[in-house]
Amino acid sequence: SQQGEEDPQALSIQEGENATMNCSYKTSINNLQWYRQNSGRGLVHLILIRSNEREKHSGRLRVTLDTSKKSSSLLITASRAADTASYFCVKETSGSRLTFGEGTQLTVNP
Amino acid sequence: DTEVTQTPKHLVMGMTNKKSLKCEQHMGHRAMYWYKQKAKKPPELMFVYSYEKLSINESVPSRFSPECPNSSLLNLHLHALQPEDSALYLCASSHILAGVRTYNEQFFGPGTRLTVL
Repeated sequence: SQQGEEDPQALSIQEGENATMNCSYKTSINNLQWYRQNSGRGLVHLILIRSNEREKHSGRLRVTLDTSKKSSSLLITASRAADTASYFCVKETSGSRLTFGEGTQLTVNP
Repeated sequence: DTEVTQTPKHLVMGMTNKKSLKCEQHMGHRAMYWYKQKAKKPPELMFVYSYEKLSINESVPSRFSPECPNSSLLNLHLHALQPEDSALYLCASSHILAGVRTYNEQFFGPGTRLTVL
């Protein structure tokens, strides 16, 4: 599809472990954003990485972008039960189209 | 104020009804969006307004009619909907980078849960 893939579709880990989610895309992008959605807090922006950036950090989050491979990854370190949510990568392509990936459902077990 | 508000939270309507969803933000954002989200699926972009003008319509049926009366408000007018239009409708807003047609992080409202009978 135009929007690419996210993997894994679901991930279950123990509290304190790291979680890595991947996102691939097919067309060139202006930027790539990661969002979290859970029933308690709705859809929340986590981090944005522009096409000329390779890595970005925000607290326990680390995002990388490899434009040659058209892929990005989100790493959550020292996970907590409160990190349980669906995580989406959102690609902004030329023409300012914003497309959500299918998402990764992360479950962090206490 | 970093909040996007949406009303109503829940809406049940018949296929012959006319209703409107409302969205409001006071963050000075000049881009506003409507998304539709079905259960266990990602949000799908419907419309984008930039500087109060419709800039993107993702081939949405005409029974959905967006309106942006001013830079803080976004409406979605609904008429003659079908049961398959039942979904969570999300509004979002963001800054637009000056001089570049690209968008910053989006702030989402809590959504309106719509049920069409």
